[in-house]
Amino acid sequence: EVQLVESGGGLVQPGRSLRLSCAASGFTFDDYAMHWVRQAPGKGLEWVSGISWNSDTIDYADSVKGRFTMSRDNAKNSLYLQMNSLRAEDTALYFCAKDMSPGAVGGFDMWGQGTMVTVSS
Amino acid sequence: QSALTQPASVSGSPGQSITISCTGTSSDVGSYNLVSWYQQHPGKAPKFLIYEGSERPSGVSNRFSGSKSGNTASLTISGLQAEDEADYYCCSYAGNHVIFGGGTKLTVL
Repeated sequence: EVQLVESGGGLVQPGRSLRLSCAASGFTFDDYAMHWVRQAPGKGLEWVSGISWNSDTIDYADSVKGRFTMSRDNAKNSLYLQMNSLRAEDTALYFCAKDMSPGAVGGFDMWGQGTMVTVSS
Repeated sequence: QSALTQPASVSGSPGQSITISCTGTSSDVGSYNLVSWYQQHPGKAPKFLIYEGSERPSGVSNRFSGSKSGNTASLTISGLQAEDEADYYCCSYAGNHVIFGGGTKLTVL
C-alpha cells in the first residue's frame, strides 16, 4: 500500500525549533520529488518547500526561507523539515506530499494525513 | 509569491455543471503547463484531481475536467453529486516555487 506518514508535530514556543519527518512506503521513493504543504486552521493550502528526487534542487516559500530546511534520506525512504525560529503564523497542519515527477514542479498525487504544529507561548 | 485567485464559493444543484476559475499571471499559470487541482473534504487530506492543466489521474471520475487559457485555468465538474461538496484548490508551478489558489467552497444545493 502506498503511504506517507508524518510525525514530529506538537506544541512549541515562539522562537524554538521543531523537526518534522515523513516516512514513505509502497513506491520507489528516490524516483520522485517530495514537498511539504501546510494548512493553517480554517485556511487554505500553502506550499512550504519542495525537494527534487536527488536533493539537487530545494525550493522554499518566501514565508519560510532562511528559517526552514528541507532534506531527504533516500536510503531510509524519509523526508524531513527542520523548522527554526518558529512564529505563531507557522501554526498549521503540515502535509507531506509526493510529486508525480522527479523534479519538484507540483502535481501532488499522494498526501499524508498531516502532523499538527502549534506555535504558542 | 501571491496566491492564485479563485472565487471563494460556487454552488449548483445535483446534475448541473459548475466551473471554478483560477487566475494567475504570466509568471505561473501562463508560463507553465503545470496546473493541478485538488479536492478536500473537511478533516481530510487533499485528493489529486487534475494535472498538467487537463489530465486526469487514473481513478478520478470523468465528471472532472480541466482547461487553461492564457493566465487562467478552470475546473469543470459535470453531473454534480452531493459528495462533490468540498473545497477545491488549484496549484501552479512558478519557476522556483509552487503556488496554490485560495480555495473555492463548492456547495451542492
